[in-house]
Amino acid sequence: QQQVKQSPQSLIVQKGGISIINCAYENTAFDYFPWYQQFPGKGPALLIAIRPDVSEKKEGRFTISFNKSAKQFSLHIMDSQPGDSATYFCAADPHGAAGNKLTFGGGTRVLVKP
Amino acid sequence: DVKVTQSSRYLVKRTGEKVFLECVQDMDHENMFWYRQDPGLGLRLIYFSYDVKMKEKGDIPEGYSVSREKKERFSLILESASTNQTSMYLCASSSNFGAGTGELFFGEGSRLTVL
Repeated sequence: QQQVKQSPQSLIVQKGGISIINCAYENTAFDYFPWYQQFPGKGPALLIAIRPDVSEKKEGRFTISFNKSAKQFSLHIMDSQPGDSATYFCAADPHGAAGNKLTFGGGTRVLVKP
Repeated sequence: DVKVTQSSRYLVKRTGEKVFLECVQDMDHENMFWYRQDPGLGLRLIYFSYDVKMKEKGDIPEGYSVSREKKERFSLILESASTNQTSMYLCASSSNFGAGTGELFFGEGSRLTVL
């Protein structure tokens, strides 16, 4: 049983469009929510992360929105580019970021068409 | 740059064989992890280690064991490989200190096929 549920499993978006990936969690002890990006043949790499004391965090074209009461968070990729085509994983950690184990969502494969 | 190196990118083994997956990190990180990646299931934690000779079970430890004799090296062992262990295995490391605290650095993965 996955503690972090991620949707959709796959997503196709046109260049310049907005990609939206949603995640929901049950464990209220989670207090650190990173997103990882994985290109084919590579390991995942940290893209952006948020803590529940803020509702939104933006880094370039990537934005995390966080709704603590609904126990949901989402990744928005603005002005999507073909180079953004990758698999994206949301994750959650119950003990903060200090070397503790992350619980990952099932992943979303994003394809940006030129 | 942090580098996590997994010794084998692709392995094909027979059912019942003993399999060793090796991982080395070069950034003196305290924590090391083994994850398994399967389509639709994301990354699931098998084992992790906070220190040399220390190990803790993750969410799916059955059928696996680990060894951490040196800080930079973390090995995953399949004592008797089975077909349901066919998967992509990812090693990761992280530090408890500094600006990158908590960030996982992953290797490129080892794709294991058990026939």
